Amino acid sequence: KQEVTQIPAALSVPEGENLVLNCSFTDSAIYNLQWFRQDPGKGLTSLLLIQSSQREQTSGRLNASLDKSSGRSTLYIAASQPGDSATYLCAGGGAGNMLTFGGGTRLMVKP
Amino acid sequence: AAGVIQSPRHLIKEKRETATLKCYPIPRHDTVYWYQQGPGQDPQFLISFYEKMQSDKGSIPDRFSAQQFSDYHSELNMSSLELGDSALYFCASSLGAGGGDTQYFGPGTRLTVL
Repeated sequence: KQEVTQIPAALSVPEGENLVLNCSFTDSAIYNLQWFRQDPGKGLTSLLLIQSSQREQTSGRLNASLDKSSGRSTLYIAASQPGDSATYLCAGGGAGNMLTFGGGTRLMVKP
Repeated sequence: AAGVIQSPRHLIKEKRETATLKCYPIPRHDTVYWYQQGPGQDPQFLISFYEKMQSDKGSIPDRFSAQQFSDYHSELNMSSLELGDSALYFCASSLGAGGGDTQYFGPGTRLTVL
């Protein structure tokens, strides 16, 4: 059974810093790894999807990497802004596209 | 662009009552997924449908049932509600049910059981 863990659980940084969020998974037979953003009490916004055959994906200031052999994914956020404050969730996609979520990293970017 | 629509957005029920949550996927998406997110928890997969057939089943209680209709919308039926069923229920849709298809999530239905 796939288990997904995210470290750290919470992170507070000053505006402008580059930061890295970590995600680890136990089953390397992963189909894809998806990163989401969730604002308090709101839905999930898909940020990036990395297929199992890919190593990384980029969208604007976001870059996500996937290393299946080590069971890790990272989300890199460049030049962080207060508007980036949210909870970031990673989820591993298995057979049938069922997603297993990590516990999330709660990010606070201070002006 | 059209997104996943969920209704109602908020629902308050008493214990032992029933509830029906509806999900309208993105047009042309043929796969629907249901997730439950309890307070302070990460989303847990409940069930999914592909082309109106149940595709996968997760930690869905026997008191819950779901189906996908001919227009691809889906309904999650919850009976004998318990306090622990209070959660945010997300529906997601994708084009295809193979591994690697991006899931797009709806805004969720917040269910409160009193």
